[in-house]
Amino acid sequence: GAVVSQHPSWVICKSGTSVKIECRSLDFQATTMFWYRQFPKQSLMLMATSNEGSKATYEQGVEKDKFLINHASLTLSTLTVTSAHPEDSSFYICSADGYAGGKIGGFGPGTRLTVL
Amino acid sequence: QKEVEQDPGPLSVPEGAIVSLNCTYSNSAFQYFMWYRQYSRKGPELLMYTYSSGNKEDGRFTAQVDKSSKYISLFIRDSQPSDSATYLCAMSGNTNAGKSTFGDGTTLTVKP
Repeated sequence: GAVVSQHPSWVICKSGTSVKIECRSLDFQATTMFWYRQFPKQSLMLMATSNEGSKATYEQGVEKDKFLINHASLTLSTLTVTSAHPEDSSFYICSADGYAGGKIGGFGPGTRLTVL
Repeated sequence: QKEVEQDPGPLSVPEGAIVSLNCTYSNSAFQYFMWYRQYSRKGPELLMYTYSSGNKEDGRFTAQVDKSSKYISLFIRDSQPSDSATYLCAMSGNTNAGKSTFGDGTTLTVKP
């Protein structure tokens, strides 16, 4: 249980373009999804929390207009990095909490974003 | 002060050694305690998690949680070169994932 997938697993884009990353809960309904960012040789830092059907809550220092989060269904959340720049190159990881006979949660495998 | 403190190492041991990795924390609300392993350029993979205090064993890995001391440990027995990776501790108040607070990670090298 608690299987979370991400797509794509790896993306390269040009500076100035936008990139969308999907996070899906495969075997449970995710009432809450979380997005993390990990820079090289650093730990995972929480970027934002999203509840299905409502606006995401962003951590301090994270630009909400740059990192657009949509949680339109109980199994899908998307993170769009708008006007990406090389400094946005990072590992983006989602996690999800929900219920499947009890509380359940899992992390996705991550998406590596490289902005040229 | 960080909510979760983890010695970044690096830690280098010979093959077959017992490895001890540790984290301390300050938030009493944490109920789930996780250990992740991360290989270079890969996402973290969950090794094991413990709910509340106690020990949990899985093969060569043992996780210990002492909530009274706010201290958690991961022991690796008979360490192998394939165990060389960065180990991250993480803690959460709600589930074994969700909104977790991570340590900085300890880089382990097991030398053949």
